[in-house]
Amino acid sequence: EVQLLESGGGLVQPGGSLRLSCAASGFTFSDYDMSWVRRTPGKGLEWVATINHRDDNTFYADSVKGRFTISRDNSKNTAYLQMHSLRVEDTAVYHCAQGGWLDFWGLGTLVTVPS
Amino acid sequence: DVVMTQSPLSLPVTLGQPASISCRSSQSLVANDGYIYLNWFQQRPGQSPRRLIYKVSNRDSGVPDRFSGSGSGTDFTLKISRVEAEDVGVYYCMQVTHWPPITFGQGTRLEIK
Repeated sequence: EVQLLESGGGLVQPGGSLRLSCAASGFTFSDYDMSWVRRTPGKGLEWVATINHRDDNTFYADSVKGRFTISRDNSKNTAYLQMHSLRVEDTAVYHCAQGGWLDFWGLGTLVTVPS
Repeated sequence: DVVMTQSPLSLPVTLGQPASISCRSSQSLVANDGYIYLNWFQQRPGQSPRRLIYKVSNRDSGVPDRFSGSGSGTDFTLKISRVEAEDVGVYYCMQVTHWPPITFGQGTRLEIK
């Protein structure tokens, strides 16, 4: 059974940094691209970033480009999202998802950037 | 970027009745390989989003056959033949034909009347 467990969310002041982790199990992690998607009550779902399975190509939404970095450690079956220069509008539940087609999702971790 | 527009945004349905959600894209979702990379997701309250349908009409494993997807070009539909209580939640369409970025519809909230 595919399981994705996000962690690392919390309350951070504007301009601050946070690193999210996504621990994967139940599948061969190194065979799959991994993605991050965020969810807000007002805007719904927004794709954030994807990293390919070989860890040699990354893709970002314009809203986070230059501030967020997606990475992975295939030896630890874990994906990461390093977030810098956080803004109020980055407040969301952040989900990691398997693949570029978002086959399976984790429950998410809440990031709050107060105004 | 491809804009995905869903309607309605709120969908009250009587138990046992059918439901239909429309999703329109701002450009054709036919990829160079001829496939259409349009997926549907369900998010039940308190749960993670779950993919129901991929490539327009293919049901994911474990998805009840009361869910069906159809469409072509820029117009797509998710249908539920007979709504059950467990279907309450928010439904999203998503395209990956023209990515990055992956783009989602605004979401349709299904509730029981």
